[in-house]
Amino acid sequence: QQQVKQSPQSLIVQKGGISIINCAYENTAFDYFPWYQQFPGKGPALLIAIRPDVSEKKEGRFTISFNKSAKQFSLHIMDSQPGDSATYFCAAAGSARQLTFGSGTQLTVLP
Amino acid sequence: NAGVTQTPKFQVLKTGQSMTLQCAQDMNHEYMSWYRQDPGMGLRLIHYSVGAGITDQGEVPNGYNVSRSTTEDFPLRLLSAAPSQTSVYFCASSLSSGNYEQYFGPGTRLTVT
Repeated sequence: QQQVKQSPQSLIVQKGGISIINCAYENTAFDYFPWYQQFPGKGPALLIAIRPDVSEKKEGRFTISFNKSAKQFSLHIMDSQPGDSATYFCAAAGSARQLTFGSGTQLTVLP
Repeated sequence: NAGVTQTPKFQVLKTGQSMTLQCAQDMNHEYMSWYRQDPGMGLRLIHYSVGAGITDQGEVPNGYNVSRSTTEDFPLRLLSAAPSQTSVYFCASSLSSGNYEQYFGPGTRLTVT
């Protein structure tokens, strides 16, 4: 049973455009929602994270939007750059502190 | 700091062979974990440890063993490799089990024929 559903599977965006990746979760006990970025041949690295007491968090060009009632959260990448081309994973964790990952989105930003 | 290191980077095994994937961290992190990454399935937790001498199962533990004799090292053992264990394996660590930010190693790509 996939507890965190991520879409789309792949995304192609022009340089300067906005990239949007969506995730939905089922477990209402989740209280931490991070996004990880992974480049080919590398391990995932934490990009940005949010807790459910806020609806939005912004760090530079990266923003998480969180909708607790809908059990959804999304990553927005503003002014997307070719260097942002990577695989992005959403995840969620609850009191057990175990991360449950989405299936990943392969982002390609065209120059 | 080297962070989280994993060896080997690549490995090919025959069905039934055993091997150990090594993971080490030099950040004095209490919490360490092993994930496998398969196409279209994200990362799935295999085993984790909240400190030396303490380990527990994750989502997909069958076919894997772990031990944690020191804070620094967290090896993953495949007792009898199966083709279904073909995957990329990542080790991760965090300061404590209450600290969500996990640092991942570079991964080991394992092929079982």
